[in-house]
This record gives sequence, structure tokens and C-alpha cells, in this order.
Amino acid sequence: GNSVTQMEGPVTLSEEAFLTINCTYTATGYPSLFWYVQYPGEGLQLLLKATKADDKGSNKGFEATYRKETTSFHLEKGSVQVSDSAVYFCALSSNDYKLSFGAGTTVTVRA
Amino acid sequence: NAGVTQTPKFQVLKTGQSMTLQCAQDMNHNSMYWYRQDPGMGLRLIYYSASEGTTDKGEVPNGYNVSRLNKREFSLRLESAAPSQTSVYFCASSEGGGIYGYTFGSGTRLTVV
Repeated sequence: GNSVTQMEGPVTLSEEAFLTINCTYTATGYPSLFWYVQYPGEGLQLLLKATKADDKGSNKGFEATYRKETTSFHLEKGSVQVSDSAVYFCALSSNDYKLSFGAGTTVTVRA
Repeated sequence: NAGVTQTPKFQVLKTGQSMTLQCAQDMNHNSMYWYRQDPGMGLRLIYYSASEGTTDKGEVPNGYNVSRLNKREFSLRLESAAPSQTSVYFCASSEGGGIYGYTFGSGTRLTVV
């Protein structure tokens, strides 16, 4: 079955630091990959996605590249801000109706 | 542009009580979903509806029932609430399945005492 493993948090950074959150997956077929972000007290929002190998998704300064050879989709941002403090979820969908989510990584950025 | 609307936002129930969580979307999406979010466990799928008139079990369906009332609305019912159902519940919708990504509601925080 499909599964997503992402690095455990919490992650605490200073403003302008580089952020990486690792995500690896197991799936049948050729899944689509997603990163969602959840700000305190809110629902999840789609941050970026990639639908095929070597695609790069990007949004709001965040990037992730779909690496089929390493079954990974790591999230990166070059210079984080306090407003990036949130929980980040990696997810995949493998040509069915469902998304499978990782456990989430809590990121706190300090001024 | 409301997106996905969930009601109520907060609820406290006593063990054994029943309640229905409501969800409505205004994006003309075909698929709708109910997830629960628990600390350290990410989101787990309870039930989903691939299209109007169909519903299917997800990973953790025990203790829940759903109704796809029409294309817009998808409700989740707890018939006899248990403390293990204390969680944050999210409704989501999608144009046609997971590969399109989801739009989420803002959640219902449920406490069962």
C-alpha cells in the first residue's frame, strides 16, 4: 500500500535560516506528490505539488523535486520567516481517490 | 468564495451521545472526504465519497457513518461517542480524486468526556 514517511519534528530555526524537511514514499504506480501546510488553528492548504518524476513544485519560496530514483520529495526554503511557522505535511496520491499523508513536521521560526 | 465549510467549529460531547458534523463545498467538486487528525499520527481517512451517491470506508471507519446528501454536502455521524473519538475532524473536497489535491475546511475540534 501507499505510505509517506517524513522527518520528525519539531524543527526550530532562526529567521533567514535554510529549511529542509525530508519526505520519502512507498507507492504503487506513479504517484502525484504534495506538500500541505497547516497554520495554527486552520485547515490544511496546498503548498505545492509535482505529478511526475523530475518535476519541481514551487510556491511562496518553497521548492520540492520529485525524485523517483530515491522515492523522495524533500521540501526546501532558502530563507525562512517567522510567518513560515506551521505544520508541514507530505502526501501522495496514486491514481485513486485518496491522499495518504505523513505524520507532519512542526516548524517554528524565531525572530 | 467560501470553499469548504464545516460546522460546528468546536463541540464537547459526553460518552454515548450522538452528533453529526456537517460539511458543504461550493466548488462543484465531485469527491469529498472526512479525516481525523491526532497528534503524531498525521491525518487518517475515515470515509470518502468519490462521487454523489457513493461512499466508501477509509482507514478508520469504525464508530462513524456518513451521508452524501447531494453533490455539495457530506456529513459525518457519531452514533455513540467514545473518548477515543476526541480529535480534530477535517472535511475536504476534490475535483476528481487525490491526484488533483484537496481543498480543506477549517476543522471541527471534538472532545468526548
